[in-house]
Amino acid sequence: AQSVAQPEDQVNVAEGNPLTVKCTYSVSGNPYLFWYVQYPNRGLQFLLKYITGDNLVKGSYGFEAEFNKSQTSFHLKKPSALVSDSALYFCAVRDPMDSSYKLIFGSGTRLLVRP
Amino acid sequence: DAGVTQSPTHLIKTRGQQVTLRCSPKSGHDTVSWYQQALGQGPQFIFQYYEEEERQRGNFPDRFSGHQFPNYSSELNVNALLLGDSALYLCASSFPSGSLYEQYFGPGTRLTVT
Repeated sequence: AQSVAQPEDQVNVAEGNPLTVKCTYSVSGNPYLFWYVQYPNRGLQFLLKYITGDNLVKGSYGFEAEFNKSQTSFHLKKPSALVSDSALYFCAVRDPMDSSYKLIFGSGTRLLVRP
Repeated sequence: DAGVTQSPTHLIKTRGQQVTLRCSPKSGHDTVSWYQQALGQGPQFIFQYYEEEERQRGNFPDRFSGHQFPNYSSELNVNALLLGDSALYLCASSFPSGSLYEQYFGPGTRLTVT
């Protein structure tokens, strides 16, 4: 069965420091991987995706993620955190063999960037 | 270009009632998916509509049903509401044959069942 794990409920980082939000997945075959961000009382906003190709994917707002097939991970990173990055982050996986293209989400990680 | 829109924003219903939520996809998108996000959890897939038919369904009871109209907009209906149906309901749309494309989410409808 497909699954996504976000092992940290919350990540705390000081503004200006690098941040990492962790994600591991379990999918048979080659997965499609996504990161979304959710601000309070808002829907999910797409940040970036990995389909194929370069393992380092660059996305919106300076975020990037590294796909590691051997570790089945897709960690979200940013070199210098901003207070405005504070939000709820979701990792999601899609099985490319699934005709519905449904997303399987992790439980989310709350990022808190302190000034 | 309008993104995905949902209505209403908030809704309060009593246990046992029925509710209808509405979604208009992003322009050019023909596939609509519905997700339920309970408090403190990630979204869970309810079902997806493509060409006015339900393409796949998640692990949700038959009380949850949907419809897609010729203009690609969609409705989610929930019958015999339970307290546990209280959640944020998210609609997402994607491009035709969207296997390589991300899904775009609406702002959601917050349903409270009392």
